[in-house]
Amino acid sequence: DGGITQSPKYLFRKEGQNVTLSCEQNLNHDAMYWYRQDPGQGLRLIYYSQIVNDFQKGDIAEGYSVSREKKESFPLTVTSAQKNPTAFYLCASSIGQGRRTEAFFGQGTRLTVV
Amino acid sequence: QKEVEQNSGPLSVPEGAIASLNCTYSDRGSQSFFWYRQYSGKSPELIMSIYSNGDKEDGRFTAQLNKASQYVSLLIRDSQPSDSATYLCAVKDSSYKLIFGSGTRLLVRP
Repeated sequence: DGGITQSPKYLFRKEGQNVTLSCEQNLNHDAMYWYRQDPGQGLRLIYYSQIVNDFQKGDIAEGYSVSREKKESFPLTVTSAQKNPTAFYLCASSIGQGRRTEAFFGQGTRLTVV
Repeated sequence: QKEVEQNSGPLSVPEGAIASLNCTYSDRGSQSFFWYRQYSGKSPELIMSIYSNGDKEDGRFTAQLNKASQYVSLLIRDSQPSDSATYLCAVKDSSYKLIFGSGTRLLVRP
């Protein structure tokens, strides 16, 4: 089945710890995105990548890092510098750089600091 | 000014009525516009995309775009209780960033 897979579904982090959220897609999409959603809020863009080995900061990149070494994978690391990481994290992908492209989402990872 | 703005609601309509959801955006270079539906605790699902001025219909949904006014809307005809969700407007701006509004919560009363 084609789709976007995020793992794990739930993640618990101790304060001061780095954690990595996985996002894999088998849709042959070029573009991938990471968003953060807080309760009752919209989606805020963390990082996005239009092509392998290239990515750009979104609106709230501080405390996060990404890599794009493979077309199908775009992992997000939440570092200890992110002071309030508890949120719902969503990964999306779309077909390419063209403007007329729709993005589809994975099922999300819910991160909680304990 | 936020890049994509939506009224947070809730918008409450009776079953069978038309629900009208609105969105404005700030980047005049934006070319692609999307509506997503998000149920509580779930990820967003795409319901409509629109790229040209005018109306686009798909079943009970109609998206409307007015680039001169920087305005996008979504009409849901014959609203059902199962349509109760948060509706997110998204805009792909001139730098290919996909930006979301904060969402409008829709409640359809049986």
